[in-house]
Amino acid sequence: DAKTTQPTSMDCAEGRAANLPCNHSTISGNEYVYWYRQIHSQGPQYIIHGLKNNETNEMASLIITEDRKSSTLILPHATLRDTAVYYCIVREYGGATNKLIFGTGTLLAVQP
Amino acid sequence: DTEVTQTPKHLVMGMTNKKSLKCEQHMGHRAMYWYKQKAKKPPELMFVYSYEKLSINESVPSRFSPECPNSSLLNLHLHALQPEDSALYLCASSQADRGSNQPQHFGDGTRLSIL
Repeated sequence: DAKTTQPTSMDCAEGRAANLPCNHSTISGNEYVYWYRQIHSQGPQYIIHGLKNNETNEMASLIITEDRKSSTLILPHATLRDTAVYYCIVREYGGATNKLIFGTGTLLAVQP
Repeated sequence: DTEVTQTPKHLVMGMTNKKSLKCEQHMGHRAMYWYKQKAKKPPELMFVYSYEKLSINESVPSRFSPECPNSSLLNLHLHALQPEDSALYLCASSQADRGSNQPQHFGDGTRLSIL
């Protein structure tokens, strides 16, 4: 089973920041938090990942709480093309491959 | 554009047919994955290959047969499928180093319909 809980859906106005929350209260010390998104009819797209510290790249920022039980993905200036299902995933650690178990995700609808 | 290429993009087949899905990547990744995604559901892992060897089979029925002929290619052979096998089949790849935290890269999938 997925180890994360996300809201089913969220709306965001175009040009505003989109803040997508994720709860992962049972995360282990060596497990990473990954964010992917899936635009309709496409494969999942990697966004960002982190362990303890906040992370930022050209797409988004990832804020992880100090106790690591929750995180927030921030899209700083949402556009219509950011409308997608966003998946927060805690990666199962072990072995030579990273096994991803997807939860139900959050459908982000960016409104004009 | 994705760096993982899947062919065909769409496939319609009867329950008695034999077909194959193909996946190719040239990122030097040594781990490759097959996922199945039903409509309005998240992807579900089916198989994992690491260094061309099957390392995970998530109790997938034998009518699905994976194959990894080399480090760049991954196939999924289909035989005697059922209508409920209609889904989007996604391929992904990643580094295979133990403990690596590098992400998986996905293709855009093959949309399979079973008549």
